[in-house]
Amino acid sequence: EAGVTQSPTHLIKTRGQQATLRCSPISGHTSVYWYQQALGLGLQFLLWYDEGEERNRGNFPPRFSGRQFPNYSSELNVNALELEDSALYLCASSLGVADTQYFGPGTRLTVL
Amino acid sequence: GNSVTQMEGPVTLSEEAFLTINCTYTATGYPSLFWYVQYPGEGLQLLLKATKADDKGSNKGFEATYRKETTSFHLEKGSVQVSDSAVYFCALSDETDSSYKLIFGSGTRLLVRP
Repeated sequence: EAGVTQSPTHLIKTRGQQATLRCSPISGHTSVYWYQQALGLGLQFLLWYDEGEERNRGNFPPRFSGRQFPNYSSELNVNALELEDSALYLCASSLGVADTQYFGPGTRLTVL
Repeated sequence: GNSVTQMEGPVTLSEEAFLTINCTYTATGYPSLFWYVQYPGEGLQLLLKATKADDKGSNKGFEATYRKETTSFHLEKGSVQVSDSAVYFCALSDETDSSYKLIFGSGTRLLVRP
């Protein structure tokens, strides 16, 4: 069974640009979570989607947004990129609310 | 708010040594507890979990027991291998404000030398 997949693996952007990151959950999983792993800041919760709806978001500005599609895949958009947005972005999926989260390999975003 | 505290790394051990990585937590309610492992250049892999007090999670020779009285979930392995070199994250499920996000510790890097 395929695990959580993320694309692209690496993404290089310049300040002010927009970035789009994609995530496909494990088949049958309906919840998708996004986390940011920035150097020195550890792993921080960004967004949670379940059944196509945004259910909760972490302490991040509104330029971090996303959506979940009918097939439960998800997209994270980061607008007006800043240097400090450089990080590994991890997506996780779970079978349902409150179930164990399984992570993808991540997308490394570099903002120059 | 809820939080997780892990011992600072790096932890350097020789192959076949005994491993302990300390993890303590602060939480309201009864969260589930997890250990995830991150190998170089990769995402997180679930190593083990425990969902209630006194539960023991185990996998690949690693184990951890959910201790409510000491609010701890220490990771142990009796004999480490070079291939265990990675960063280990302790986490709890935070179900406050209708969220089910994970709260992570800062991670502990383990280096096992042959």
